[in-house]
Amino acid sequence: GAVVSQHPSWVICKSGTSVKIECRSLDFQATTMFWYRQFPKQSLMLMATSNEGSKATYEQGVEKDKFLINHASLTLSTLTVTSAHPEDSSFYICSAREGQRPSGNTIYFGEGSWLTVV
Amino acid sequence: QKEVEQDPGPLSVPEGAIVSLNCTYSNSAFQYFMWYRQYSRKGPELLMYTYSSGNKEDGRFTAQVDKSSKYISLFIRDSQPSDSATYLCAMRVTGGGNKLTFGTGTQLKVEL
Repeated sequence: GAVVSQHPSWVICKSGTSVKIECRSLDFQATTMFWYRQFPKQSLMLMATSNEGSKATYEQGVEKDKFLINHASLTLSTLTVTSAHPEDSSFYICSAREGQRPSGNTIYFGEGSWLTVV
Repeated sequence: QKEVEQDPGPLSVPEGAIVSLNCTYSNSAFQYFMWYRQYSRKGPELLMYTYSSGNKEDGRFTAQVDKSSKYISLFIRDSQPSDSATYLCAMRVTGGGNKLTFGTGTQLKVEL
């Protein structure tokens, strides 16, 4: 199946700094990528939908100025957590939609990135 | 009421057992149904992908969708310890930006 790669797998940063997480589709072009956040023993919460060449669409309650998303190419989307604080510590997962049809396409997930803010 | 309900478990079964995992949902507009497996501290891995009602089989896994009852199931035959993971159901409407709505996940443990 299609492969989605995330980097870094885990990162520790100091409070107040910014952290960038990359999401790449390795063997397909992804016009749409999604960013999720997952707390321990809870399900995935969609943060935003990233569309190549346009602004991301954020879910209600997600601060767009804090979680900057850039989808500069058909294979790369980045999530930057700005001025990170301990409460931002979480598991961040991206997913990418294979293909360009508006429906009927499979969505694959990356391995996730663990962020710990100290 | 959540859009998608899933028993969080944990569900513990002996090796070789048939496992039944289920989700119910309230949004009749959901047309695409997926099951993901997630190992601890890893991203979800797509197991099964089904459109509308019906059954789909892939190896030891069978997915069933009953849209009239708003109920989906994943069956695992001859369960193995390596199947121990959290299983997430997910679903979405046609178009709609491909936004997935997830269940909370069921934690499965297959014991020797």
